[in-house]
Amino acid sequence: DTGVSQNPRHKITKRGQNVTFRCDPISEHNRLYWYRQTLGQGPEFLTYFQNEAQLEKSRLLSDRFSAERPKGSFSTLEIQRTEQGDSAMYLCASSFLQGAETEAFFGQGTRLTVV
Amino acid sequence: DQQVKQNSPSLSVQEGRISILNCDYTNSMFDYFLWYKKYPAEGPTFLISISSIKDKNEDGRFTVFLNKSAKHLSLHIVPSQPGDSAVYFCAASRTTSGTYKYIFGTGTRLKVLA
Repeated sequence: DTGVSQNPRHKITKRGQNVTFRCDPISEHNRLYWYRQTLGQGPEFLTYFQNEAQLEKSRLLSDRFSAERPKGSFSTLEIQRTEQGDSAMYLCASSFLQGAETEAFFGQGTRLTVV
Repeated sequence: DQQVKQNSPSLSVQEGRISILNCDYTNSMFDYFLWYKKYPAEGPTFLISISSIKDKNEDGRFTVFLNKSAKHLSLHIVPSQPGDSAVYFCAASRTTSGTYKYIFGTGTRLKVLA
């Protein structure tokens, strides 16, 4: 297993277009997270899945954002009608539920540029 | 409302010396803390974690100290190596909330000088 995989690594899109990112977590991990990171900031939590259930969404996740995790495996994050403020690094992380504490492993991220 | 704060944006240390990175938090409900290292154009890499029932955790050259009364944690790297040059993020979590989402600080850029 090579870790958390995200595709594409980079995406440039015109304002108003829709984009979709994919995350493949570590295979035995049942928890999956999406974060967003902008320049000079730490990653900010967007949403969380346990298996296929989306259990929490940040208020940062406007109605233009939707995430899915069909069958509890890979996940997709779609942004509709992109805006310049959506330009950021989108990070996916996964972890395995074992007891109360567990570290999450991050992918390399998808850098989105909206022009 | 920045619940996790890293007040030093950058730190320079000579190779072989100790690097100390600091982190403060405001939410007393946080009970699990982590440090991640990030190189440019890569995702964060997990370094070390500590539960609130402990005050110290050590892994090789990396030691994390937790002072719950002061709501402060620190990461010590001894000895520092040039390959340690990266941005370091501390993160905190409320495991009792069920989601284990992390709240990150804004990062400290460490530069280890050869």
